[in-house]
Amino acid sequence: QITLTESGPTLVRPTQTLTLTCTVSGFSLSTSGVAVGWIRQPPGKALEWLALIYWDDDKRYSPSLKNRLTITKDTSKSQVVLTMTNMDPVDTATYYCAHNVRKYFQYWGQGSLVTVSS
Amino acid sequence: DIQMTQSPSTLSASVGDRITITCRASQNVGYWLAWYQQKPGKAPKLLISKTSSLESGVPSRFRGSGSGTEFTLTISSLQPDDFATYFCQQYNAFWTFGQGTKVEMK
Repeated sequence: QITLTESGPTLVRPTQTLTLTCTVSGFSLSTSGVAVGWIRQPPGKALEWLALIYWDDDKRYSPSLKNRLTITKDTSKSQVVLTMTNMDPVDTATYYCAHNVRKYFQYWGQGSLVTVSS
Repeated sequence: DIQMTQSPSTLSASVGDRITITCRASQNVGYWLAWYQQKPGKAPKLLISKTSSLESGVPSRFRGSGSGTEFTLTISSLQPDDFATYFCQQYNAFWTFGQGTKVEMK
């Protein structure tokens, strides 16, 4: 059974850096073809893809946010980490990580609500 | 960037109705289109991949079709569990979601 669990702060101050961790089970981050992505959703709004990392450490970033994002993985810990710099209130959202094998997001975590406020 | 536009934004319907949601891409995405269902406070659930491939366990009343820049999701007979928000997503070039269609009870 594949599961993904997001963890991280619920409140971040403006200009701070957000660090979110996705802990996965039921699959290995080193298996050929496997990828994990991050997607966010502001309250009441649409989904927005942020970043994705492949089993071979290849990475993809949203062009509009790439200067603020870093995605890494620790295969031994089954974790994928997303950092987002210079947080702003408009970054308030639920952040999801999701499993990606055939290019679409098949399994999702439950989401982690991050509020940006002073 | 490829933009995805869904219509309508809200759809009011009754149990038993046949409904159709449209998704248009700003560029050709081939058949690389997925549909997700999301209920309040929950993560999106994958319904359909590659335009028309139903995920395991998804009822056959859900049907996806289209290609290129125009796609549709049809629910042949709306059930109480189907009232939710639906998102399309292209995965031909990076990943882009539509803005969502909320299916509400009439």
